[in-house]
Amino acid sequence: GAVVSQHPSRVICKSGTSVKIECRSLDFQATTMFWYRQFPKQSLMLMATSNEGSKATYEQGVEKDKFLINHASLTLSTLTVTSAHPEDSSFYICSGSAYNEQFFGPGTRLTVL
Amino acid sequence: AQSVTQLDSQVPVFEEAPVELRCNYSSSVSVYLFWYVQYPNQGLQLLLKYLSGSTLVESINGFEAEFNKSQTSFHLRKPSVHISDTAEYFCAVNVNAGGTSYGKLTFGQGTILTVHP
Repeated sequence: GAVVSQHPSRVICKSGTSVKIECRSLDFQATTMFWYRQFPKQSLMLMATSNEGSKATYEQGVEKDKFLINHASLTLSTLTVTSAHPEDSSFYICSGSAYNEQFFGPGTRLTVL
Repeated sequence: AQSVTQLDSQVPVFEEAPVELRCNYSSSVSVYLFWYVQYPNQGLQLLLKYLSGSTLVESINGFEAEFNKSQTSFHLRKPSVHISDTAEYFCAVNVNAGGTSYGKLTFGQGTILTVHP
């Protein structure tokens, strides 16, 4: 099956700093990538839909200036959490769409101290 | 807008027992349905999906799910579980818009399946 990687797998940062998470489709081209956030013991919540070469579409309640998404190529999308705060600590998961399906990355656990 | 309800947050069972994880959805248009499995600190893996055709779909590791349009359900079943099936399971839907099945997914709350020896 199609493989999606995320980097880093874990990151710990200080409050006020910015963190960049990369999502790569390793063996397919993903015209569309999705970013999800999962809080402990909760389901995945879609944050934004990212299309290659265009601006991301954010879900209601997600601050686009705080969660910057860039989808510069068909195999790479990045999510930057700007001025991170402890409440941004979460598990961030990306997915890429292809072959009539979404393929999920392994996730990035962000801890903001 | 569509929504997904997984009725059980936790399901404990003994090894080799049958299990059913329930999923109901609501949508005003036709949908595609999915079950994903998530092991601790990992991303989601597709278990099985219903797009069209036969309402009974099967996975390679013995799970099956049946799409019931009248009851708007897509329950996941396995006749005999293994310790290795311990994980969290998510039901998801997306709207059958324009024939694509890989659009925005709406997830249920998840069901933690714990298989005891």
